[in-house]
Amino acid sequence: KAGVTQTPRYLIKTRGQQVTLSCSPISGHRSVSWYQQTPGQGLQFLFEYFSETQRNKGNFPGRFSGRQFSNSRSEMNVSTLELGDSALYLCASSLVLAGELFFGEGSRLTVL
Amino acid sequence: QKEVEQDPGPLSVPEGAIVSLNCTYSNSAFQYFMWYRQYSRKGPELLMYTYSSGNKEDGRFTAQVDKSSKYISLFIRDSQPSDSATYLCAMSTGNQFYFGTGTSLTVIP
Repeated sequence: KAGVTQTPRYLIKTRGQQVTLSCSPISGHRSVSWYQQTPGQGLQFLFEYFSETQRNKGNFPGRFSGRQFSNSRSEMNVSTLELGDSALYLCASSLVLAGELFFGEGSRLTVL
Repeated sequence: QKEVEQDPGPLSVPEGAIVSLNCTYSNSAFQYFMWYRQYSRKGPELLMYTYSSGNKEDGRFTAQVDKSSKYISLFIRDSQPSDSATYLCAMSTGNQFYFGTGTSLTVIP
């Protein structure tokens, strides 16, 4: 059974640009969550999608957005990038809303 | 005050030692308690999942939850070099997950 797949794995952007990250959940999983991981703050919850609807949102500015498609694949977008957005962005899927999380390997974003 | 507090370490132990990792929390609404292991450049993987106070054992790993003290622990017996990783505690109200910042563990052969 394939795990959670995230693309791209690594990317470098400059301040002011925008970025889109993609996540394909485990087959059959309908919930996708996104987290930002930094050395000082650990994993910070961004949002959770279930059946194409955002069900929960963390405490991040509106520059961070996401969506989920009918096949449960999800994308997150960060606009007007700031240096502080440099982080590992992790996607996790679960069978049900707020269920056991299975993580992908992450997308490492560096903002210069 | 953070919802979940975890000592970041780093922790370094000789092979075969017993390792104790701990987290404290402030939200009494947490019902589910988890430990994740994260190797360098990898995503976290679930090690242990518990619902109630008490102990849960899985091979060399034992998870302990004390809801009255708002304290959870993970014990690793007979630690191996392959256990070298960052260990994250996580808690959930059933609606949202909250993670500790992780403890970096190195097991020296």
